[in-house]
Amino acid sequence: GNSVTQMEGPVTLSEEAFLTINCTYTATGYPSLFWYVQYPGEGLQLLLKATKADDKGSNKGFEATYRKETTSFHLEKGSVQVSDSAVYFCALDSSASKIIFGSGTRLSIRP
Amino acid sequence: DAGVIQSPRHEVTEMGQEVTLRCKPISGHNSLFWYRQTMMRGLELLIYFNNNVPIDDSGMPEDRFSAKMPNASFSTLKIQPSEPRDSAVYFCASRTGYGYTFGSGTRLTVV
Repeated sequence: GNSVTQMEGPVTLSEEAFLTINCTYTATGYPSLFWYVQYPGEGLQLLLKATKADDKGSNKGFEATYRKETTSFHLEKGSVQVSDSAVYFCALDSSASKIIFGSGTRLSIRP
Repeated sequence: DAGVIQSPRHEVTEMGQEVTLRCKPISGHNSLFWYRQTMMRGLELLIYFNNNVPIDDSGMPEDRFSAKMPNASFSTLKIQPSEPRDSAVYFCASRTGYGYTFGSGTRLTVV
């Protein structure tokens, strides 16, 4: 069945460090891929998405490229800020019905 | 666009009491999802509806849980009787096309 595996947290970085959160998936067909972010006390918000192979999603300085050959959708940011501290969820949608979420990665940024 | 609206934001109840959580999806969104989030189990899909019809309720933990969607603009999740292990944040999300929009959640505490 469809599944998403993302790196376990917590991830702790210093401000202005480079960020990578790994995400790989298993799916039939050609799923759409997403990153959601959850700030403390809030619901999940769509951060970025990619709907086909080699697409790059980007938003707020974050990027992720849909790599079909490696079944990956790693999240990157060149210089993180304290305000990026949150939980990040990788997700896939292969059926236009329910989305499959990863387990989430907690990110903490030190000033 | 007011987003997905959930009520109440916080609920504290005694074990054995009935609890009703409410959700108003975004107008025009034809799918609605109920999730539960805890530290131990992460984000769990409980049930989802397409066009007001329940499609998959395999995630509903027990018969104590029930969900209804009487029309396109309103859904409820009911727990009767409630137990301390039901304490969690419950999220509602709606979608049309790709991606979800989440509500801010209801934090339920059963004492």
